[in-house]
This record gives sequence, C-alpha cells and structure tokens, in this order.
Amino acid sequence: NAGVTQTPKFQVLKTGQSMTLQCAQDMNHNSMYWYRQDPGMGLRLIYYSASEGTTDKGEVPNGYNVSRLNKREFSLRLESAAPSQTSVYFCASRGRRDQETQYFGPGTRLLVL
Amino acid sequence: GESVGLHLPTLSVQEGDNSIINCAYSNSASDYFIWYKQESGKGPQFIIDIRSNMDKRQGQRVTVLLNKTVKHLSLQIAATQPGDSAVYFCAEVFSGGYNKLIFGAGTRLAVHP
Repeated sequence: NAGVTQTPKFQVLKTGQSMTLQCAQDMNHNSMYWYRQDPGMGLRLIYYSASEGTTDKGEVPNGYNVSRLNKREFSLRLESAAPSQTSVYFCASRGRRDQETQYFGPGTRLLVL
Repeated sequence: GESVGLHLPTLSVQEGDNSIINCAYSNSASDYFIWYKQESGKGPQFIIDIRSNMDKRQGQRVTVLLNKTVKHLSLQIAATQPGDSAVYFCAEVFSGGYNKLIFGAGTRLAVHP
C-alpha cells in the first residue's frame, strides 16, 4: 500500500492564479483532512471530510475549497492564490471512528509570488 | 483556549544517550495524545499514542508518559540514533466529531555522533 499520496510535490504560483492539490489514500479510510504547516508552527486544519460526500471547515478555511471526489480522493483548491498561502500542505486520513490516528502524506510545498 | 506546546524548541543529544522531549497541553478534555516524527521534507509519521486514562505506554525504544495532574506529556527515546534526528510533535486529540488534532509547534532533535 502506498498509504497517502499527494501531487504535486512542489508548485510555484503567481498571486491570483488558481490550482488544485490532489490527495489519495489506499487504506479504505473514511475520514480525510487537509492541513497547512508554516515555519515555527504546528499543523493547522484547513478542511476535513468525515466521510464520502461530506466536507466541513477546519481552523483556517478562508481562501480554500475542497472536494471529496470519492472515498479515496480529497482535493484542495486555491481559487485565487495569495502570498499568505505560501506553505506546506499535508493531507491525512483516518480509519474507523474508533481509530484515532491520522496518517499523513508527504506534503506539497507551495510558493505564491 | 486550546493549545499544545513544547518546552524546548531544540534538543541536542549524543548518539547512544536517552532523549526526553516534553510537551505541555492546556485543555484537559482531550481523549488521546499522539507523538509524530517529521523528517525534513516528509510528512508527520506516527510514533506512539496514549489514551487519557493511561499514564505510560511503551513501544520499541520509545516510551510516552502522561501526567494529567500537571498536563504534561513526554516522549522518551532510548539509545538515540542518528536516524532519530527529526522534529517531534505532540498532538492532542479530541475524539468524536471529526477527531480534532491540536498540534504543538514541534521540537527539533539533533543527534550527534
């Protein structure tokens, strides 16, 4: 199993451009999450999806949208990128409700100029 | 408010020594705590977890201690190896709902030969 995979690994955008970050998991997990990680800070939750067909806002959702395409895939979209969105983005997934641990992908490094 | 923080931002140890990484949390309503290891350029990797009704849990070369009285969590790594060099995060988990994780800012562990 590959676990949680993310594409692209690295992206440079100009202010105002849009892009979609892709995430997929092959562990048959129900819940999926998007986090951002900034220097000197822990991970902050952007959006999550408790199950296929549902999405909800996390701690820092402004400027982002998400789509839970199916059980495997959860994408994060920046409609109009801003320099403040320069960060490393991590996707995570979690199994059943009684399984607490979230498993993370390798991350996407995004630079907005 | 909710917060999970770390006492020491950087910890330097000699190879073979034991390492202790500390974490303080402020919210006593959590159900569960997780320690993650993050190597440069990679996503957080699960190390060990502990439920709030326990005070100690051991894994392979790692031990997590939980002191609910003083809201303190520690990760002990025995016989630290160069491969242990990474940033370590503690995360507080609130079960139910979407399984909310509150991450600390991280402690960098540097292992010297």
